[in-house]
Order: sequence, then C-alpha cells, then structure tokens
Amino acid sequence: GQNIDQPTEMTATEGAIVQINCTYQTSGFNGLFWYQQHAGEAPTFLSYNVLDGLEEKGRFSSFLSRSKGYSYLLLKELQMKDSASYLCAPCQGTGFQKLVFGTGTRLLVSP
Amino acid sequence: GAGVSQSPSNKVTEKGKDVELRCDPISGHTALYWYRQSLGQGLEFLIYFQGNSAPDKSGLPSDRFSAERTGGSVSTLTIQRTQQEDSAVYLCASSLRGTGLSGNTIYFGEGSWLTVV
Repeated sequence: GQNIDQPTEMTATEGAIVQINCTYQTSGFNGLFWYQQHAGEAPTFLSYNVLDGLEEKGRFSSFLSRSKGYSYLLLKELQMKDSASYLCAPCQGTGFQKLVFGTGTRLLVSP
Repeated sequence: GAGVSQSPSNKVTEKGKDVELRCDPISGHTALYWYRQSLGQGLEFLIYFQGNSAPDKSGLPSDRFSAERTGGSVSTLTIQRTQQEDSAVYLCASSLRGTGLSGNTIYFGEGSWLTVV
C-alpha cells in the first residue's frame, strides 16, 4: 500500500523561495515524480528522482531521501504563473510499477 | 499522435446510463493509465495497462467500471449505470515502457469531464 502526505495549501510572494515537502510509505519504491497541475488542466511533468540527493532544473529542484521516505520540491524566484497544485507521486510496485499521486499542495503566489 | 488524446472532452449523462470514454495514447507508448479526479481532489488511480500483460485493475472503485485496451493502443473506460458520485474528470496517461528505474515520464491527456445529472 501507500501513504503520501503533503501540505494542503501554501502561500508565498513573487520572487520568494518555497519548499513543498512530501513524505511517503510505499511498497517496492522505484523513484518519485513531481507534477504541476494548473486549475482545470492536466498534470505536467516537473521532475524525477530515483537516487538520494538533489536534482536541479532551472528554478525548480527536487530532493529525495529514500531511507526517510521524504522528498521536497524547491521553487525559486517565484512567479505568478507558479500558482498551481504540485503533486508528489512515488512510483510503487514490484511487478507492475505505477504512479500513485498524493492529494497535492495548492500553491498561491501573490504579488 | 503528438500527445495523449481523449474523447469526449465533456460528457453530461443521466443517472443510470452507461458511458464510454476513449483514450488514444502517444504512438509507441506501451503503458497506459486511467486516473480519476473529483473537483478539488487528488488523482485517484483506476487501472494500468502494460503491453500484453494482464492489467492492474486494483483501483477500479466498483464492478460498474471496466476498461479494455485493444491492439495495445486505444483504450476505452466504460462506466455502467452511472451515479452522481461518478462525476469527475477522467484522465488518461501513457508512457514509453512504464514507470520506474528507467524514469519513463507519463504524459497526460486533457481529460474527459463527466457530469452525471
């Protein structure tokens, strides 16, 4: 089974830095994805971590600690367009490997 | 195709009717997923197809829900005797080989918005 925990909502101001945490418990862990979803739109891929450590991609970085069942998404130089839901999705399973999504964190960026 | 294509984009149906939702994955992608998202909620896994293997149906909420994938490509999600609680957006996604160590990203379609009245 799986248990994914993220904050429900976060607020931040334009230009700031925000960290969105995710803790999880899964069976057969095979990496963790972060997706961004704007209201009324489909989720889009942001990052993937399979090894411990930080993966940096422009303004977005993602960190993983497999032993702690913990990941975070770091957003720098926030822009208004970053207002969206951010979904943590560990990949689980030993046979079939499927993405299971958390309920997501709604981020509101204000001027 | 260039992306995951779903149809219809919007469907309003009467309670008790059957509906079919179609998904056309990205060409060459062997893995196909169906998720459901109710208003303001997270994505709920429904079913996963990988190549010719038996699908993982562990997320289907009841026996009114079924899905098939013909020829390893197009998939149809069928909801029989729809109920008001079935109202949600149904998202289809595909990936090259399935997620995991290879880090194959899954790509989502725009979804089919279902309203049961």
